[in-house]
Amino acid sequence: QSALTQPASVSGSPGQSITISCTGTSSDVGSYNLVSWYQQHPGKAPKFMIYEVNKRPSGVSNRFSGSKSDNTASLTISGLQAEDEADYYCCSYADSSPYVFGTGTKVTVL
Amino acid sequence: EVQLVESGGGLVQPGRSLRLSCAASGFTFDDYAIHWVRQAPGKGLEWVSGISWKSGSIGYADSVKGRFTISRDNAKNSLYLQINSLRAEDTALYYCVKDIVGNYDFLTGYGMDVWGQGTTLTVSS
Repeated sequence: QSALTQPASVSGSPGQSITISCTGTSSDVGSYNLVSWYQQHPGKAPKFMIYEVNKRPSGVSNRFSGSKSDNTASLTISGLQAEDEADYYCCSYADSSPYVFGTGTKVTVL
Repeated sequence: EVQLVESGGGLVQPGRSLRLSCAASGFTFDDYAIHWVRQAPGKGLEWVSGISWKSGSIGYADSVKGRFTISRDNAKNSLYLQINSLRAEDTALYYCVKDIVGNYDFLTGYGMDVWGQGTTLTVSS
């Protein structure tokens, strides 16, 4: 099972909105509404941010939202803040595996 | 407090074997599937293996199939990963991770909500 494709980096200024894409195939993202997203700050364990494409766990800011269209899922961060600077990983259920991660995106707040 | 604590990592020679452990607390361990996810130095996350609550469903990434064996002891609130024939490419930080779905004897892919701090495995001669 190949990793899902994410842009290596995305940047934005404080207060702006940014979107991170996550492209898979009809064997994973395209066939299942089981996309989750994780935030990872340097030297820290990942944090669970989004599940089932667009649901937020308790305690996650509503500035984070998810969506999906065909084989591509997206994570949008609105009102960008300095603390949002981190690596972000998408993850999807797939025909051959319960979890396939994306390649990861480094978000930089300018 | 919900917590997962990994142990057992270290520096190991190629070809040797090692067992990683994960101790859970703060939740009903035997209600949930648990997974191992690894991260090689400077690289992304890779799902390695998962086991359902009653061990009825077990899965492995293709990259480790045949060399890794996952198991759990619900009486001890513990998860294990037996790694044989270690390779340099197994060098990584290994996380123990809780699935969000409970009371279901399949690996569902809904998401993983609790992560340990990881244990580092380095494979080198």
